[in-house]
Amino acid sequence: AQKITQTQPGMFVQEKEAVTLDCTYDTSDQSYGLFWYKQPSSGEMIFLIYQGSYDEQNATEGRYSLNFQKARKSANLVISASQLGDSAMYFCAMRVLWNQGGKLIFGQGTELSVKP
Amino acid sequence: NAGVTQTPKFRVLKTGQSMTLLCAQDMNHEYMYWYRQDPGMGLRLIHYSVGEGTTAKGEVPDGYNVSRLKKQNFLLGLESAAPSQTSVYFCASSYGLPIDEQFFGPGTRLTVL
Repeated sequence: AQKITQTQPGMFVQEKEAVTLDCTYDTSDQSYGLFWYKQPSSGEMIFLIYQGSYDEQNATEGRYSLNFQKARKSANLVISASQLGDSAMYFCAMRVLWNQGGKLIFGQGTELSVKP
Repeated sequence: NAGVTQTPKFRVLKTGQSMTLLCAQDMNHEYMYWYRQDPGMGLRLIHYSVGEGTTAKGEVPDGYNVSRLKKQNFLLGLESAAPSQTSVYFCASSYGLPIDEQFFGPGTRLTVL
């Protein structure tokens, strides 16, 4: 069975500091995608970053990077230089194409609060 | 290019009433999905479609029906609403590879009294 686990229900970080949000996944498939989405208090789902199972380099998108450790089945999100606007829920998700049309399997999320 | 749109944004129903949620996308995506999000949880798949005229059940399909008569539209119906269906509903669409991002609509907040 595929599963995403986010073990940090809530995190605090000081503005301008870096923070790591943890994500571990479980799948026996070789081909899959790992995603991070941000959900601010307004409710929309905002795509942040993607990592493919065959990608050897860690993905980066601006201040976001994904620390992909395939052997450990972890896909942690690193946010550098945190900003007040980063305060939100963050969801890690996995996609395996053959599973129910390639649905996204979500973790329970981590609520990040950035302190000024 | 509007992306994924959902109608309505908010709705309050009484138990037993019916309604239809409309999702539209203008990106020519084959795959479309309906998810629900309950408090403190990630999204769970209700139904999905891998192309025009096709639909299939997801993880939590009971009490819902869907139709995809046109490629750009995916409708979610509640025939007899129950309080357990109080949730935020998200529509998403994508191309068909694991690397492909799913694009989400803004969500519909439904309350069933």
